[in-house]
Order: sequence, then C-alpha cells, then structure tokens
Amino acid sequence: EADIYQTPRYLVIGTGKKITLECSQTMGHDKMYWYQQDPGMELHLIHYSYGVNSTEKGDLSSESTVSRIRTEHFPLTLESARPSHTSQYLCASRDPLAGSNTGELFFGEGSRLTVL
Amino acid sequence: AQSVTQPDIHITVSEGASLELRCNYSYGATPYLFWYVQSPGQGLQLLLKYFSGDTLVQGIKGFEAEFKRSQSSFNLRKPSVHWSDAAEYFCAVGARGFGNEKLTFGTGTRLTIIP
Repeated sequence: EADIYQTPRYLVIGTGKKITLECSQTMGHDKMYWYQQDPGMELHLIHYSYGVNSTEKGDLSSESTVSRIRTEHFPLTLESARPSHTSQYLCASRDPLAGSNTGELFFGEGSRLTVL
Repeated sequence: AQSVTQPDIHITVSEGASLELRCNYSYGATPYLFWYVQSPGQGLQLLLKYFSGDTLVQGIKGFEAEFKRSQSSFNLRKPSVHWSDAAEYFCAVGARGFGNEKLTFGTGTRLTIIP
C-alpha cells in the first residue's frame, strides 16, 4: 500500500479564489509529480520535483505553481481559479532504483477540483 | 518524444472470460513500459512493468503483459476476469536515461464486466 495522501479529495469553489491542493508522502521519495487528468484524456505531467527546493514544469502548460520545502510535502497552488482549471489532479512519487528513473510511480487518490 | 496509443476506449467482457487490452507505443529505443489500473475515485495502481529481459511479465491480480518489439506493443492479458477487475486501465511508456522524467500515458481503456 502506497503512503501518499492528497487533500482535499473534492473541492468546489468560485472563480477567482486561491486554492492549494496538498500532497504528502511518507516513503522518503525525492522525486514527486503532479499530473492533470481529464475524462477520456491521457494524464498530463504539469509539475515535478527532484527533491527539496527543486521544481520543474512538465509538458502541459499550467497556471498552477508548486513548492518543495520538505521532502514529504509537494503542494500545488492556483492563485486565481477559473472554470478551465476544473479537472482531477493526481500527485505521485517515484520509488528510486539506483539513481535511475525507472522506479515505480506511487499515486495518491487524486483531488477533483470544480471551479464554478 | 514517446507516445502511447490505447485503441479501445471501452471494452465489455463477461465475468470469467479472457481479456486482452491493447497498447501500442512509439519510441526510438527500447522503452520502459507500464500498466496501471484506476478504480473509480481512486489513484493509479501499478499492475506490472517491463524494463528488460523476459518479454512476458507477470503482474498483480493475475495480469500479464507481453512486450513485442516488432509490433511496438505491450498488450495486457488476463485469462479469466473477475467483477472486481472493472476499472480504467492505462498503459504508459517512459524514456531511458537519467533526467528523463516524463512518463507518457495513454488515454485509458475502461473495462466493464457483465455477470
């Protein structure tokens, strides 16, 4: 069982609000990721981190930002939410294998965001 | 850049029947290949993975997949499905080499099981 947690699981907010999606893992993994998932679409990588104080943008342009102040914590923030941000956001961490990138991704249960 | 195609959006099978979910990838070298399963309201769970070696890999829950380089495929199979296998299945490909963080996912195949 993976130890990676996301809160809130479901969030409905109005346009213009600031929101933070929390992601925490207790496995000590250095690499963490945020994916955006829409129905019938592939998962898109929007942010990732190699470790503390490291953040990188993924393939899909996103207006969200992330921070990595502690190994176990990788929150995602939207300063001003819009209806186009309505989606499911999945956090993941990677099990390292000898420094390579071949390790398994462990996913949280996701945060489903609806912006009205 | 790598890509993944899952041709079947939705598959329905009877409980106890065999299953094959198709996955084709595009990548210039031998990729890392994964199958993940997602139950409703849940995150993704790894079923199996291929890195190298034996092209037939065994996973959890009785699933297996076969890497066929000549066909650029990594199809998922199960000899006899159970009602609890109803879920969304995602194939994914990863590039080799340190620093290649991108894991590219297919659009998924939704599996429905009928009694």
